[in-house]
Amino acid sequence: GAGVSQSPRYKVAKRGQDVALRCDPISGHVSLFWYQQALGQGPEFLTYFQNEAQLDKSGLPSDRFFAERPEGSVSTLKIQRTQQEDSAVYLCASSTAGDGYTFGSGTRLTVV
Amino acid sequence: GDSVTQMEGPVTLSEEAFLTINCTYTATGYPSLFWYVQYPGEGLQLLLKATKADDKGSNKGFEATYRKETTSFHLEKGSVQVSDSAVYFCALSDQPYAGNMLTFGGGTRLMVKP
Repeated sequence: GAGVSQSPRYKVAKRGQDVALRCDPISGHVSLFWYQQALGQGPEFLTYFQNEAQLDKSGLPSDRFFAERPEGSVSTLKIQRTQQEDSAVYLCASSTAGDGYTFGSGTRLTVV
Repeated sequence: GDSVTQMEGPVTLSEEAFLTINCTYTATGYPSLFWYVQYPGEGLQLLLKATKADDKGSNKGFEATYRKETTSFHLEKGSVQVSDSAVYFCALSDQPYAGNMLTFGGGTRLMVKP
């Protein structure tokens, strides 16, 4: 597609519920990143994929967070047993060598 | 580790005023520097970048110069418009190409009044 697509755009989850956030990167983009943006803050790195390989997951805040990109295209960020502190905008970005990042519009997660 | 510090907002200006948003960074290597803009309800968009010392990035009337000696990358615009109202993020990357993460500052909200 023309841009990075994220779904859903908004998600309200009850505390303890599992959620799955989807990212469709730009076709052909090798690299895919997930960032977490708390209200009023800058984005913070969560994890990075090169094709289907997850090369860096140092930013994942806990073992409740899990990301996958099984075919090197679409990626899913899963959060298990959501907590209030997980409320944030989750941004996906893709890029390829020589190009900058293209960010999606994000998924706003609210845990109630 | 790497870090980016930018001035806190909100910054409120009248249309046609001069804009400066300060950004300083700490990095172990020789990073590339970026300014991203986030309009309401939209994703982050790259505004401009500079990849080495003394480079000047520019776009849409905005400019920023990579100052290695002061580890700064201040954003400037000579005459702001209402449509420039947005949140601006300074960021760095140790490698400019795919494969390295961005480290962002906390963002500065700019509000331009007619």
